[in-house]
Amino acid sequence: EVQLVESGGGLVQPGGSLRLSCAASGFTFSSYDMNWVRQAPGKGLEWVSGINGGGGSTYYADSVKGRFTISRDNSKNTLYLQMNSLRAEDTALYYCAKDWAAGATRKFDYWGQGTLVTVSS
Amino acid sequence: QSALNQPASVSGSPGQSIAISCTGTSSDVGGYNYVSWYQQHPGKAPKLMIYDVSKRPSGVSDRFSGSKSGNTASLTISGLQAEDEADYYCTSFTSSSTWVFGGGTKLTVL
Repeated sequence: EVQLVESGGGLVQPGGSLRLSCAASGFTFSSYDMNWVRQAPGKGLEWVSGINGGGGSTYYADSVKGRFTISRDNSKNTLYLQMNSLRAEDTALYYCAKDWAAGATRKFDYWGQGTLVTVSS
Repeated sequence: QSALNQPASVSGSPGQSIAISCTGTSSDVGGYNYVSWYQQHPGKAPKLMIYDVSKRPSGVSDRFSGSKSGNTASLTISGLQAEDEADYYCTSFTSSSTWVFGGGTKLTVL
């Protein structure tokens, strides 16, 4: 059974840093791209960042480019999101999502339950 | 990276059919068949309902269907049921190798 478990969220002051983790199990982690998607309280979904299976290619939304860094440790089956220079507008529930990319198919087929990040003084 | 455009809300009575539109550009919806739809109930993680414009994952009811014409994708739900009441989001792959979501549509079953 595929499981994605996020952790690392919490309360942080504006300008601060936080590192999120997503522990994966139930599939060959290194074979799949992974993504972070966030949802501000009462708002819609926003794609944040993605990384390929090997970790060599990374992608970011303009809203976080230069402040957030996505990475993965395939030996630990874990995805990370390093968040620096945090702003109030980064307050959200952060989900990790497994990305099925094969041939003509792309889909976020499994999602974690999310970890809440609150940026406030 | 502007969000895809979805209606804020739609409603229908049990048994009826509704459609939710998702309008983008030639750099996202119109340029790729990587359009997905997600259902989200309050306090829950999103659930994949449609991928690659019109494919349905195993276990998703055939009452859910997807299509695309030009820069606009659509999700149709037929035979509305009370449990379909939820928020629905479309997403598309983009020419920048990123993803963009729609603003979300709240479906109310009257």
